[in-house]
Amino acid sequence: AQSVSQHNHHVILSEAASLELGCNYSYGGTVNLFWYVQYPGQHLQLLLKYFSGDPLVKGIKGFEAEFIKSKFSFNLRKPSVQWSDTAEYFCAVNEGSGGSNYKLTFGKGTLLTVNP
Amino acid sequence: GAGVSQSPRYKVAKRGQDVALRCDPISGHVSLFWYQQALGQGPEFLTYFQNEAQLDKSGLPSDRFFAERPEGSVSTLKIQRTQQEDSAVYLCASSAHAGTQYFGPGTRLTVL
Repeated sequence: AQSVSQHNHHVILSEAASLELGCNYSYGGTVNLFWYVQYPGQHLQLLLKYFSGDPLVKGIKGFEAEFIKSKFSFNLRKPSVQWSDTAEYFCAVNEGSGGSNYKLTFGKGTLLTVNP
Repeated sequence: GAGVSQSPRYKVAKRGQDVALRCDPISGHVSLFWYQQALGQGPEFLTYFQNEAQLDKSGLPSDRFFAERPEGSVSTLKIQRTQQEDSAVYLCASSAHAGTQYFGPGTRLTVL
């Protein structure tokens, strides 16, 4: 069975600091990779996704993630965080190619707190 | 509507009661998913529908959990004889035939 590991449970940064959140998955076949964000009091929203092609994916709000197949990783990055980035971030994976529409396996999430 | 909606948003049940949680997916979305999110954890898959067909129910934790989507649109997750360990946020997501899953706000179930 797949598993997703997010190594950082809680990250605290000051505004303008750079961010990198780790995500590793266990499945060895073709995967689709996602980062979702949950702002306080809101529902899960898609931040970015990787299905195929360029392993460096750009998402909303200046976030990007890099798929490194040899490391089974899909780390999330942002060069300069803002207070409004305070949220919980979830990495998720599903099997298949072409964005096939199937169940997601999530990591436990990383809570990001950005201090003004 | 513009997004996935769920009702009720909050539900308190006494142990042993039955509950029904509703999900209205994005119009036209073929696929519908239910997830359970315990406190401090990521969402965990419960079940998957393609139109009215339940194609995967491998994540349902016990036979007390039952889901249906009779007309291929609205779905209901039913939990019979609720237990304290059922307390969680229940998330519904929908997607087009091949694509991203869009999540609803969830129903927070508390079993006393």
